[in-house]
Amino acid sequence: AQSVTQLGSHVSVSEGALVLLRCNYSSSVPPYLFWYVQYPNQGLQLLLKYTSAATLVKGINGFEAEFKKSETSFHLTKPSAHMSDAAEYFCAVSLIQGAQKLVFGQGTRLTINP
Amino acid sequence: NAGVMQNPRHLVRRRGQEARLRCSPMKGHSHVYWYRQLPEEGLKFMVYLQKENIIDESGMPKERFSAEFPKEGPSILRIQQVVRGDSAAYFCASSPGTQGKTEAFFGQGTRLTVV
Repeated sequence: AQSVTQLGSHVSVSEGALVLLRCNYSSSVPPYLFWYVQYPNQGLQLLLKYTSAATLVKGINGFEAEFKKSETSFHLTKPSAHMSDAAEYFCAVSLIQGAQKLVFGQGTRLTINP
Repeated sequence: NAGVMQNPRHLVRRRGQEARLRCSPMKGHSHVYWYRQLPEEGLKFMVYLQKENIIDESGMPKERFSAEFPKEGPSILRIQQVVRGDSAAYFCASSPGTQGKTEAFFGQGTRLTVV
């Protein structure tokens, strides 16, 4: 069975600083991996996804993530944080490219300090 | 092209009442998924439906919960005799299919509060 662990339920960075949100997964077969963002009282928006093509995936809003099979990780990064990046971020894993039975991590709340 | 529409956005029910949550998928999407987000937790898969069929309900509680996606109209998640523990955000997602490079688009959720 797949599972996802997001290290750090809360991350706080200064505006302009590097954002690093950690995600580790376990899967018995090569997974598909996703990062979603949730703004307050909103639904989830897909930031980026890994589907076994390039290991470095670029997403929207300047975010990117790197799939590292040896570390079973899919960490999300952004070189320079903006105030508008404050939100909850979820890492998810699936055995197939579609949305069926996405397994989500518990989420990381990102706070941006001015 | 409107996104996934869920209504109501907020729903308050007293213990023992029924809750009906509606989800209209994006135009052209025939696959619907329901997820539940308990406070301070990630989303948990509940059920996957295609038109008139339940494909996978392995995440649904065995009692009081049911889901349908009729030929016409929205998908409905129904919770009978609600209890305080049912208070959560319920998200619906839709996709056009399961083959190829599909992805799910999520609605804004229905926040259910049981008092």
